[in-house]
Amino acid sequence: AQTVTQSQPEMSVQEAETVTLSCTYDTSESDYYLFWYKQPPSRQMILVIRQEAYKQQNATENRFSVNFQKAAKSFSLKISDSQLGDAAMYFCAYRSWGGSEKLVFGKGTKLTVNP
Amino acid sequence: NAGVTQTPKFQVLKTGQSMTLQCAQDMNHEYMSWYRQDPGMGLRLIHYSVGAGITDQGEVPNGYNVSRSTTEDFPLRLLSAAPSQTSVYFCASSTERSSGNTIYFGEGSWLTVV
Repeated sequence: AQTVTQSQPEMSVQEAETVTLSCTYDTSESDYYLFWYKQPPSRQMILVIRQEAYKQQNATENRFSVNFQKAAKSFSLKISDSQLGDAAMYFCAYRSWGGSEKLVFGKGTKLTVNP
Repeated sequence: NAGVTQTPKFQVLKTGQSMTLQCAQDMNHEYMSWYRQDPGMGLRLIHYSVGAGITDQGEVPNGYNVSRSTTEDFPLRLLSAAPSQTSVYFCASSTERSSGNTIYFGEGSWLTVV
């Protein structure tokens, strides 16, 4: 079974600075997806960024980018120019390639953005 | 553009009562699933479905029942509520037919069992 580990329960960053959230995972599969979800206090699950394991290029979405290290099974999220609205819980998630909709989540990292 | 709709948003139950959390999606997605989120935890999969008439258990299925009679609906039934089922419940849907396999989540249902 796959597992996802987020080793930082809480992180903080100053507004306009950069922060990196860590995620490692364990799998024996060669093809899969990785995701970062943002969960604000409203509890809504918002997709931040997605990475397909077969793609060597790291995914980027505006101020959000990932560092995907497949051999090391590492998938960190970098938030540049942090904004107050980035404050939330961030979850790393794993999904097998094809088939069902089973997502495996880490326990989350609470990000605080200080003005 | 409704997406994934969950009802009710909030519910208080007494121990031993039964209830159904409703989930509907209007995107013609074949995949639907239910997750629960407890304090300090990520979401954990309860049950999922890969199409009408097909369901399977996830990581934490005990105490829950599901059925999928239509593509649109995937209700989650609590058979005899227990305080351990106090949680936030999320329904999700997706399709393999579009690129990216984005999973869409409902807004969550807060359930308290007293």
